[in-house]
Amino acid sequence: AQSVTQLGSHVSVSEGALVLLRCNYSSSVPPYLFWYVQYPNQGLQLLLKYTSAATLVKGINGFEAEFKKSETSFHLTKPSAHMSDAAEYFCAVSDRLSTGTASKLTFGTGTRLQVTL
Amino acid sequence: EAGVAQSPRYKIIEKRQSVAFWCNPISGHATLYWYQQILGQGPKLLIQFQNNGVVDDSQLPKDRFSAERLKGVDSTLKIQPAKLEDSAVYLCASSPGLVGNTIYFGEGSWLTVV
Repeated sequence: AQSVTQLGSHVSVSEGALVLLRCNYSSSVPPYLFWYVQYPNQGLQLLLKYTSAATLVKGINGFEAEFKKSETSFHLTKPSAHMSDAAEYFCAVSDRLSTGTASKLTFGTGTRLQVTL
Repeated sequence: EAGVAQSPRYKIIEKRQSVAFWCNPISGHATLYWYQQILGQGPKLLIQFQNNGVVDDSQLPKDRFSAERLKGVDSTLKIQPAKLEDSAVYLCASSPGLVGNTIYFGEGSWLTVV
């Protein structure tokens, strides 16, 4: 079964500092990979996704992630943190098997990002 | 474009009572999902529909949970009888229906069982 591991349940950075949220996947075949953000009392919003078009994926709000097959990683980064980035971030994976139906997402346990002044 | 709509947003019930959640997906989306998110954890898939057929319900506790998707559009998720451990956010999501498509989530229905 496919899975993702998010290292660090809590990450704290200063405003203006680099944000790095780690995600490693487990799959025999490179899967589709996603990062979602969840603000308090809200649903999940897609930040970006990897579907093999390019290994460096740019998303919304200045976030980007790089797919590294050799490291089975898909870490999320942002050069300069803003207070509004404080939220829960989830890495998710879906398989590439085509059965005529959309694949399900399997989520990591999440990383809570705190941004301090 | 309207997003995924869910209701009610918040519900508090006593254990052994029943509750139902409703979801209206994005228009034209063939695939509908129900996820359960327990506090401090990532969402876990309960059931996936393709049009009005069930694709995956392997993690749905069928002794107490049931779900249906009427006419391939709206869906309801029911819990009866509820247990304390069912306290969670129930997220509905939809997708156009092809592998790799983005999955769009609603704001969730928050259930507290006391």
